[in-house]
Amino acid sequence: AQKITQTQPGMFVQEKEAVTLDCTYDTSDPSYGLFWYKQPSSGEMIFLIYQGSYDQQNATEGRYSLNFQKARKSANLVISASQLGDSAMYFCAMREAFSGYSTLTFGKGTMLLVSP
Amino acid sequence: DTEVTQTPKHLVMGMTNKKSLKCEQHMGHRAMYWYKQKAKKPPELMFVYSYEKLSINESVPSRFSPECPNSSLLNLHLHALQPEDSALYLCASSQGTSGSYNEQFFGPGTRLTVL
Repeated sequence: AQKITQTQPGMFVQEKEAVTLDCTYDTSDPSYGLFWYKQPSSGEMIFLIYQGSYDQQNATEGRYSLNFQKARKSANLVISASQLGDSAMYFCAMREAFSGYSTLTFGKGTMLLVSP
Repeated sequence: DTEVTQTPKHLVMGMTNKKSLKCEQHMGHRAMYWYKQKAKKPPELMFVYSYEKLSINESVPSRFSPECPNSSLLNLHLHALQPEDSALYLCASSQGTSGSYNEQFFGPGTRLTVL
């Protein structure tokens, strides 16, 4: 079974609108971390936001917020006021704390296109 | 300095060539990673170094040989590659490998083409 599921291969949004990118995860570890990365066409993976499994509040970083619903095992990324520069591939990833050398497991990604 | 650098940015090599990819970080991180990423796919973990020792090798073919000369440097030596090895190779580093946080900082990647 996939540990990280991103069901939206592609999303379109108009500039200045908000958009939600979906991510669901599967783990039996009580301690885990959820990350969102942005990858423009240049290739670099840019860290956007982090949510820990014990964090009581949803994480926010500027225009990015993470809608964390622990019981549903979802960690959706919300981008407010989209900009043309937000067009990129977005990856959700999970890090589990008690699985030995904990490494990142990535979802398949969602390609976001922002139009003028 | 919160940057991971990778050289070269682009590399084209023949199947009989020997080349190396280089990765460097000066954040004092003790864990470094190599990932391979094919187009429109997520990164796939290849190797993890922790405190300059190879901790994880995800069943990578021996034509890829990693090396960690010191805590700031990570190399990936390439020999007798196949065309299907053409991909973006990403390097990353983190403070450590344990715990649920440990954000990984990624470099810009090397785009490798094998002819």
